[in-house]
Amino acid sequence: SAVISQKPSRDICQRGTSLTIQCQVDSQVTMMFWYRQQPGQSLTLIATANQGSEATYESGFVIDKFPISRPNLTFSTLTVSNMSPEDSSIYLCSVKREDSNEKLFFGSGTQLSVL
Amino acid sequence: GQNIDQPTEMTATEGAIVQINCTYQTSGFNGLFWYQQHAGEAPTFLSYNVLDGLEEKGRFSSFLSRSKGYSYLLLKELQMKDSASYLCAVRDDTGGFKTIFGAGTRLFVKA
Repeated sequence: SAVISQKPSRDICQRGTSLTIQCQVDSQVTMMFWYRQQPGQSLTLIATANQGSEATYESGFVIDKFPISRPNLTFSTLTVSNMSPEDSSIYLCSVKREDSNEKLFFGSGTQLSVL
Repeated sequence: GQNIDQPTEMTATEGAIVQINCTYQTSGFNGLFWYQQHAGEAPTFLSYNVLDGLEEKGRFSSFLSRSKGYSYLLLKELQMKDSASYLCAVRDDTGGFKTIFGAGTRLFVKA
């Protein structure tokens, strides 16, 4: 398995501000992803965090709104910029390990509420 | 693009068997996952099918038919703790590895 520490676990923010979510893994992983899960919904892939280069964003998500960093193989950050109430959601860090039979491991999530 | 369909909700009785179906359409298909997610928690891996057929793992089994774009998750001897959302997800390698999730099926197990 992989131990994934994600913080903060929850936050309440004012609209127009930004929040950076951190994801730390206990071992080197080949791939890291950021997902969003809106209330009562399933997981939507925001982007693949690439080590040492720009993240790969899915349709509907852009770097200006969701800048992502991945400076090494065990750490990544997701920033939710210029927040609005529509950004209220759970944000999940996810990793894939080389020896994990393709499955994903998830962090415990960050519950974000924007007022 | 991708399209994954599964029922929104199901109810079953403790001790019974339930089958959760999933149909999918995706261009870069390279495997299908089932994840379990309890309320307020992160998803956890249940199964991964790449080839056609049935994979059995304890009380849980998963089936895949690639030609039909169809999978099911079979849960036997249901327990109350099995009440959760079950997420069907496909591996889509178009443009690089990624896992795309369906909307999930909320399973309620009643006594």
